[in-house]
This record gives sequence, structure tokens and C-alpha cells, in this order.
Amino acid sequence: AQSVTQPDIHITVSEGASLELRCNYSYGATPYLFWYVQSPGQGLQLLLKYFSGDTLVQGIKGFEAEFKRSQSSFNLRKPSVHWSDAAEYFCAVGARSGNTGKLIFGQGTTLQVKP
Amino acid sequence: DADVTQTPRNRITKTGKRIMLECSQTKGHDRMYWYRQDPGLGLRLIYYSFDVKDINKGEISDGYSVSRQAQAKFSLSLESAIPNQTALYFCATSEIQGGGETQYFGPGTRLLVL
Repeated sequence: AQSVTQPDIHITVSEGASLELRCNYSYGATPYLFWYVQSPGQGLQLLLKYFSGDTLVQGIKGFEAEFKRSQSSFNLRKPSVHWSDAAEYFCAVGARSGNTGKLIFGQGTTLQVKP
Repeated sequence: DADVTQTPRNRITKTGKRIMLECSQTKGHDRMYWYRQDPGLGLRLIYYSFDVKDINKGEISDGYSVSRQAQAKFSLSLESAIPNQTALYFCATSEIQGGGETQYFGPGTRLLVL
């Protein structure tokens, strides 16, 4: 069955420290890959996406993610976290075939930033 | 102005009541989606529509119905609300561009069923 796993439910980092949020997926083929962020009381904002090409993708707000086919992973990184990055982060995958447009979401990782 | 809007933003209703959540978009996208978000479960797809005449069930459509009134409007109805439908509901639109499909989300409707 297709699935997305975000192993860390909650992560706390100090402001200025580096960040890595993990995402692993189970899929029949290489899917489309996305990271979204949900700030408190807000909707989901697209941070970045991978369709094809360079496996290291750059997004908004200084985030990047790397697709590793051999590990079925798409981890999100940021070199220096800001207090405003505190939010919930969702990894999602979408099918390349079937034209369904459906996304499968991970459970989410809540990021807390310590001053 | 926001590209994807949802009304109401918050709603409290009672068990057995019929309610409608509305979604409008100005992005000109044909495809629209309804999801619900529950703590620890991420987002799950309820219904999706590829155009006005094409509506499809998602993974958790039981207890819900939808109406695509126009390209820009996609409504979700709970015919007889029950407490386990208490959740945060998101509408999304999508575009196919750059070799893939990207979804854009509204601000969400927080629903409490008593």
C-alpha cells in the first residue's frame, strides 16, 4: 500500500541551529514529492516540490529537500532555523500515473523553536 | 486577496444537522479537492473534482457529499453531522505545470460537531 511516514512527531531545535525533517515513502514508482508547512491557525503553504531532474530542490524561506531514490526518502533541511519556522510540516506524495491528482500525506512533524 | 477561500472559517453545529462548507477559487484551475485533517493522521481526501461534470470519491467519502456549482466553486456537505466529523477541513485547487501537478490549499474550516 502507498504510504508516507514522518518518523518524528515532534522536534525541538534552538534558533540558529540546523534542521532536518525526515520523510520516507512507500510507492510503486517514483512519485511527485512535496513539503507543505502549516503555521498555527493557517492553511497549508507549499514549501517545495520535486517532479524530476536535480534531486536537491530549493524552496521558499530558505528550505531545501533532497530526493534519495535508494532510500525512498525526501528529507527537508534548513541550515539555520528562525523562530518563525515553528509550525507543522507535512510531506506528501502524488502519483505520476493514473491522472488522479491525489496526494498522500504523512502524519506531520511539529517543529518547536527554542530562543 | 487569497486565491482559495473557504467559508465559514469556524463552525459549531449539533449532531444530526446538515451543514455546508464552501470553497471558492480565483486561480482558474479545473481541479478541486476536499480534505479533512485530524491530529496525528495528516490530511485525508474526501472528494475531488476535475471539472464541473467530473466528481470522484476519495478515501473517506462516507457521510459527505459535494457539489461543483461552477469552475470556481466546490462545496462540501455533511448531510447529518456526527461528532467524529469534528475536524479541520481544507479545500485545494491544483494546476498541472512543469511536468507535474501541484495543489494549493485554502485556509481551512474548523468544524466542531456537538
